[in-house]
Amino acid sequence: QVQLQQWGAGLLKPSETLSLTCAVYGGSLSGYYWSWIRQPPGKGLEWIGEINHSGSTNYKSSLKSRLTLSIDTSKNQFSLKLRSVTAADTAVYYCARGRVEGGGYCFGGVCYSGNNFDYWGQGTLVTVSS
Amino acid sequence: QSALTQPRSVSGSPGQSVTISCTGTSSDVGGYNSVSWYQHHPGKAPKVMIFDVTKRPSGVPDRFSGSKSGNTASLTISGLQAEDEADYYCCSYAVTYTSWVFGGGTKVTVL
Repeated sequence: QVQLQQWGAGLLKPSETLSLTCAVYGGSLSGYYWSWIRQPPGKGLEWIGEINHSGSTNYKSSLKSRLTLSIDTSKNQFSLKLRSVTAADTAVYYCARGRVEGGGYCFGGVCYSGNNFDYWGQGTLVTVSS
Repeated sequence: QSALTQPRSVSGSPGQSVTISCTGTSSDVGGYNSVSWYQHHPGKAPKVMIFDVTKRPSGVPDRFSGSKSGNTASLTISGLQAEDEADYYCCSYAVTYTSWVFGGGTKVTVL
């Protein structure tokens, strides 16, 4: 059973860098893209970005200039750094296993796109306040 | 990429059915069969209930079903139960943009 455990600083001041790490247990980083998703207070879920085991990344366009995702295959972990945070970055941040690398696949006569978030971390509340 | 459009809330009595709509564009919902639905109880991690528009993960009751017509996907909960009260989010992968977009979320209330 795949499990994701995440950690990082929960209280930041404006202009600081948000750093979170997500460790994957019971499975390999290979074969999937690994995403970060956040939920601001009272709002919906927002996808932030994804990374695969080779370090290939895709970022939400509005965050691209401040965001860096990285991966450490030796530790089976991936990380997020968001620079120059403001109050608007206050949210619960989740890591999640996302889409299958290489696109869809078929198994047992059924074909799948491989495009969904099937395992999630527990969430980390990050508050940005002066 | 704009957020997908969902109703803010729906409600029903135990045993009834409710349907949540999720409207996007031909660049996301309408363009691919990569729509998924997530149940989110406050303080917990979201849980996938439907993926690839209609497929249910192992362990998800068959009371949950998904469909799609054009640019609008739908989640139907039949035989509503108290534990179904939660927020539900639709999500679509947009291949063209190599990005994901979520809906704004729908609060399901069991009366």
